[in-house]
Amino acid sequence: EVQLVESGGGLVQPGGSLRLSCAASGFTLSSYWMTWVRQAPGKGPEWVANIRQDGGERRYVDAVKGRFIISRDNAKSSLYLQMNSLRVEDTAVYYCARGLTADSWGQGTLVTVSS
Amino acid sequence: DIVMTQTPLSSPVTLGQSASISCRSSQSLVHSDGNTYLSWLQQRPGQPPRPLIYMISKRFSGVPDRFSGSGAGRDFTLEISRVEAEDVGVYYCMQATQNPTFGQGTKVEIK
Repeated sequence: EVQLVESGGGLVQPGGSLRLSCAASGFTLSSYWMTWVRQAPGKGPEWVANIRQDGGERRYVDAVKGRFIISRDNAKSSLYLQMNSLRVEDTAVYYCARGLTADSWGQGTLVTVSS
Repeated sequence: DIVMTQTPLSSPVTLGQSASISCRSSQSLVHSDGNTYLSWLQQRPGQPPRPLIYMISKRFSGVPDRFSGSGAGRDFTLEISRVEAEDVGVYYCMQATQNPTFGQGTKVEIK
């Protein structure tokens, strides 16, 4: 069974940083692109970033370019999202998802950016 | 970016009746590999999105056959037949032909 478990969320002040992790199990992480999606309170999902199997290609939504970095460690079956220069509008539940088509999702981790 | 537009935004349905949700993309979703990466997701209250349908009409494992997808090019439809109480939630279309984008969501509720 595919399982994705996010962690690392919390309350942070504007301008601060957080690093999210996603532990993958039930499939071979190195065989898949991986994706981060976020959902602000009361809003629909928004794609944030994705990363190729070998980490050699990374794509970001314009709103996070230059501030967020997606990475992966296939040996540890883990996906990461380093979030810097956080803004109030980054407040959301962050989900990791498998593949470019997001065919499996984790339960999410809540990031709150507030002073 | 590809814009996804769903209609209606709200769909009150009688138990046992059908619901239909439309999704239109701002450009064709046919990928250069010939596939169309249009998915449908269900989000029950307090839960993460759950993928139901991929590549227009293929159901994920465990999804009841009451859910069916159709369409081509820019126009797509999700049909829910014989609506049950557990179907209440928000439904999103999502394209992954380019960097993923989502529709605004359609809230399905029981009359």
